[in-house]
Amino acid sequence: QSALTQPASVSGSPGQSITISCTGTSSDVGGYNYVSWYQQHPGKAPKLMVYDVSNRPSGVSNRFSGSKSGNTASLTISGLQAEDEADYYCSSYTRSNSLVFGGGTKLTVV
Amino acid sequence: QVQLVESGGGLVKPGGSLRLSCAASGFTFSDHYMSWIRQAPGKGLEWVSHISQSGTIIYYTDSVKGRFTISRDNAKNSLYLQMNSLRAEDTAVYYCARDFGWLQFQHWGQGTLVAVSS
Repeated sequence: QSALTQPASVSGSPGQSITISCTGTSSDVGGYNYVSWYQQHPGKAPKLMVYDVSNRPSGVSNRFSGSKSGNTASLTISGLQAEDEADYYCSSYTRSNSLVFGGGTKLTVV
Repeated sequence: QVQLVESGGGLVKPGGSLRLSCAASGFTFSDHYMSWIRQAPGKGLEWVSHISQSGTIIYYTDSVKGRFTISRDNAKNSLYLQMNSLRAEDTAVYYCARDFGWLQFQHWGQGTLVAVSS
């Protein structure tokens, strides 16, 4: 199972919006609405930001939103804040009853 | 509140074995699928294995099949990962995580570091 494809890095200024893409295949992203996004700060465990493509867990800011079109899922962060600077990973359930992650995207808030 | 605490990591020589444990509290452990996920130093996340509530359904990523064994003891609220024939590429922080549906995880442990080196 190949990793999902994410850009290695994205950047934005405070207050701006950014979008991180996550491309898979019809065997994972395109075939299931079980795409999640995780935020990870250095030395910390990942934190769930979006699940089931577009749902936010309780306590996660509504500045984070998810969507999907075909084999590509996206995470949009609006109103960028300094504390959003972190690594972001997408994941998807797969046809093989397994999980595949994206390679991760480093978000820099400049 | 939900707590997951991993233990058992350490330095081991190639070909060696290690058993990781994950102690769960704050929820009904036997109600949830559980997973192990790892992260090599400076690298991304990699799902390793998951196990159903009763332990009857188990899946592994291809690179650990035949070497790693996931198990659970619901009476002890504990998840385990027996790792044999360890390789340098198994070096990583290993997290246990609680699945709330379709391999999506809201709760993670703090991780335990496994280093495989001679």
